[in-house]
Amino acid sequence: SQKIEQNSEALNIQEGKTATLTCNYTNYSPAYLQWYRQDPGRGPVFLLLIRENEKEKRKERLKVTFDTTLKQSLFHITASQPADSATYLCALESNAGNMLTFGGGTRLMVKP
Amino acid sequence: SQTIHQWPATLVQPVGSPLSLECTVEGTSNPNLYWYRQAAGRGLQLLFYSVGIGQISSEVPQNLSASRPQDRQFILSSKKLLLSDSGFYLCAWSAGTGHNQPQHFGDGTRLSIL
Repeated sequence: SQKIEQNSEALNIQEGKTATLTCNYTNYSPAYLQWYRQDPGRGPVFLLLIRENEKEKRKERLKVTFDTTLKQSLFHITASQPADSATYLCALESNAGNMLTFGGGTRLMVKP
Repeated sequence: SQTIHQWPATLVQPVGSPLSLECTVEGTSNPNLYWYRQAAGRGLQLLFYSVGIGQISSEVPQNLSASRPQDRQFILSSKKLLLSDSGFYLCAWSAGTGHNQPQHFGDGTRLSIL
């Protein structure tokens, strides 16, 4: 069955450093992958989408890579700020299409 | 612009009582609609999705049901709540055409069963 793995341990980094979060998947080949941000007690907010034929996507301080050989996506936040502290979820197109399968998320804590 | 509303924000219900959570979307037509449940510190579990009025697909067997009486209204219900129904319930919508569409979430309902 489809499986998505994100580091369940919180990532603690210092303000100004680059945060890198990992999303690994097994047992399927999604055509695209999405990243979301979720703040406590709120719904997830869409950040970026990357397609299987794109190696890298950028949006302001965010960068996403998608390696279909390694079955892995990396999510980078450069010049991180305390306001970037949140849980970040990756989501992949499910085999049934039009639906997403979400990873468990990684909590990022940026300390001033 | 499109908006999604969920209510109530929090709900405390006794075991065995009924449930009705409502979600409405504004500013778009014929959206795909989704109900998710999120356990504490866990990912999102898809419960139901709908591609049109009266069309409901269930992803997991459970004590819950969903209905879509209008194009932009999605309702999650239960006749008799169980303790295991506690959790954070999220409604989401995506554009109804094509793949690769991001999902847009409401702010959820925190449901506690006593």
